[in-house]
Amino acid sequence: EPEVTQTPSHQVTQMGQEVILRCVPISNHLYFYWYRQILGQKVEFLVSFYNNEISEKSEIFDDQFSVERPDGSNFTLKIRSTKLEDSAMYFCASKTQGYEQYFGPGTRLTVT
Amino acid sequence: SQQGEEDPQALSIQEGENATMNCSYKTSINNLQWYRQNSGRGLVHLILIRSNEREKHSGRLRVTLDTSKKSSSLLITASRAADTASYFCATPFRDNYGQNFVFGPGTRLSVLP
Repeated sequence: EPEVTQTPSHQVTQMGQEVILRCVPISNHLYFYWYRQILGQKVEFLVSFYNNEISEKSEIFDDQFSVERPDGSNFTLKIRSTKLEDSAMYFCASKTQGYEQYFGPGTRLTVT
Repeated sequence: SQQGEEDPQALSIQEGENATMNCSYKTSINNLQWYRQNSGRGLVHLILIRSNEREKHSGRLRVTLDTSKKSSSLLITASRAADTASYFCATPFRDNYGQNFVFGPGTRLSVLP
């Protein structure tokens, strides 16, 4: 069964550094998402992407964040200058025209 | 933005018992979904219920939706140890027809063998 994959599974970075989190959505999906989950807290919506542009974003998704679909398969989330409070699990999700979103296993980002 | 809130926050039951989790939300929705998250893993979609549906079944799962009370419940019957996970309800992020979701804080279910 096709699945969403994410790399790396765990990323450790120093405060102020740039990180890129990578996702490979399911191949025929059209809508792409990033969510984050701070340890012990709920899953928070960051951004959605459709037709090569951001379709919606939350207040969390500020100028430090950007997304890109550099080729036909990858979907990336970049954090330009990481802060301690960016430490979280980051989940990528994708879907077709329906409502069900398929989530990847997540990347644990640790900012020290 | 609207938000799903689950209760209880934690639930511990014996294998074979039924588990019921509730979700409340604040504004009008056109659908509500339930997801499961095993510890340290991603979310897995369980079931979707539309606003014109009152009840839906999928295997051992039963979901109800009461739009007048803005609430939903997830019932897992004959629970198994493998059902141990966190369960989240998800509602549209911004408006009735939004396709991005807000997740509640979840119910942590522990099924004891």
